[in-house]
Amino acid sequence: EAQVTQNPRYLITVTGKKLTVTCSQNMNHEYMSWYRQDPGLGLRQIYYSMNVEVTDKGDVPEGYKVSRKEKRNFPLILESPSPNQTSLYFCASSPRTSGIAKNIQYFGAGTRLSVL
Amino acid sequence: AQSVSQHNHHVILSEAASLELGCNYSYGGTVNLFWYVQYPGQHLQLLLKYFSGDPLVKGIKGFEAEFIKSKFSFNLRKPSVQWSDTAEYFCAVNAVPSNTGKLIFGQGTTLQVKP
Repeated sequence: EAQVTQNPRYLITVTGKKLTVTCSQNMNHEYMSWYRQDPGLGLRQIYYSMNVEVTDKGDVPEGYKVSRKEKRNFPLILESPSPNQTSLYFCASSPRTSGIAKNIQYFGAGTRLSVL
Repeated sequence: AQSVSQHNHHVILSEAASLELGCNYSYGGTVNLFWYVQYPGQHLQLLLKYFSGDPLVKGIKGFEAEFIKSKFSFNLRKPSVQWSDTAEYFCAVNAVPSNTGKLIFGQGTTLQVKP
């Protein structure tokens, strides 16, 4: 089954304790992205990756890191989490086609993070 | 900067009522338009999309949306809602061409359908 898998689904941590949220897709998609969802703000892009070893900042990258060493995986790293990073996080992937960006993104189930 | 605005934050309907959720975007160029749905505890799923051609697009589960370019709108409609349509609905836009692939999302509309 084609899917985007995020782990963990729920995480409670304390300020300053490094954590990683994993994201894996089995659709051989080139494009992957991380969003955070906050009430009243919709989803905002944190980082994206056009392909292996190619990553770039989205709209709200502060406090986050990513890596793309393999095509299928795109982990989100919080080196020193703070309470304002309490949010619902979604990973997404998309096949890239040349020319027009018919960017249908497929989303994971989400990771609910609480930073105390 | 691009932005997407969804006018209704919380909508409550009875089963069989008709639904229309508003979505407006601000971007002067060509766009791709999407509606996503998020059922409680689940991931976002694509309801429908518009790339080009017929401005009236049909999606899954009886939903449709109409792109009105002059109004920068992409409203979602369903003639008769069911209790199972209870969910959060997001309108999203991306510019064409896109260097980032970024989807700009609206704030979301929570739909509650009473049985």
